[in-house]
Amino acid sequence: DAKTTQPPSMDCAEGRAANLPCNHSTISGNEYVYWYRQIHSQGPQYIIHGLKNNETNEMASLIITEDRKSSTLILPHATLRDTAVYYCIVRVVGYSTLTFGKGTMLLVSP
Amino acid sequence: GAVVSQHPSRVICKSGTSVKIECRSLDFQATTMFWYRQFPKKSLMLMATSNEGSKATYEQGVEKDKFLINHASLTLSTLTVTSAHPEDSSFYICSAPPGQGANEQYFGPGTRLTVT
Repeated sequence: DAKTTQPPSMDCAEGRAANLPCNHSTISGNEYVYWYRQIHSQGPQYIIHGLKNNETNEMASLIITEDRKSSTLILPHATLRDTAVYYCIVRVVGYSTLTFGKGTMLLVSP
Repeated sequence: GAVVSQHPSRVICKSGTSVKIECRSLDFQATTMFWYRQFPKKSLMLMATSNEGSKATYEQGVEKDKFLINHASLTLSTLTVTSAHPEDSSFYICSAPPGQGANEQYFGPGTRLTVT
């Protein structure tokens, strides 16, 4: 079973920030939070990961709560090309296997 | 970033035949590669871990004699679906970490298999 819970779908207007939540209340101290996304009929794409500090890269920001039981992926200015299924995954760093849950289908509309 | 390719991108085959899918890491060496299967509107399910120079490790419920995996080199892993049936029709995706203990995995674009 996946160790994360995400809403099945979300909508966002183009140009607005998309905030995707993820609950991981049973996360262990040595587990990181990873985010991947999958555009329709393509392979997943790595977005970002973090342990306890907030992280930012050219694609997104990751906000992790202090108790690490939840996190939010932020796409600051969503575009139509950001429409995809977003997967939140917890994993021990260095352990390669990824377990995908159902993810959140983000639909960005004009 | 690192690139993983798959070939073919789409394949249609008849029931009972075998199909080979290739996964290549184009700009890095991968001692380990992973094979996933994804049915329509479902999430990715790990099928097996492909190890260069040794036997693949299969997940529970995945038939090793039906899904043959060969990790021929540090840049190539192949998945052969033997005696394909219509229920094997799926989206097959491979991935590889760009180094042992790497933080991320790079995924191939996937192969759409349709068995008629």
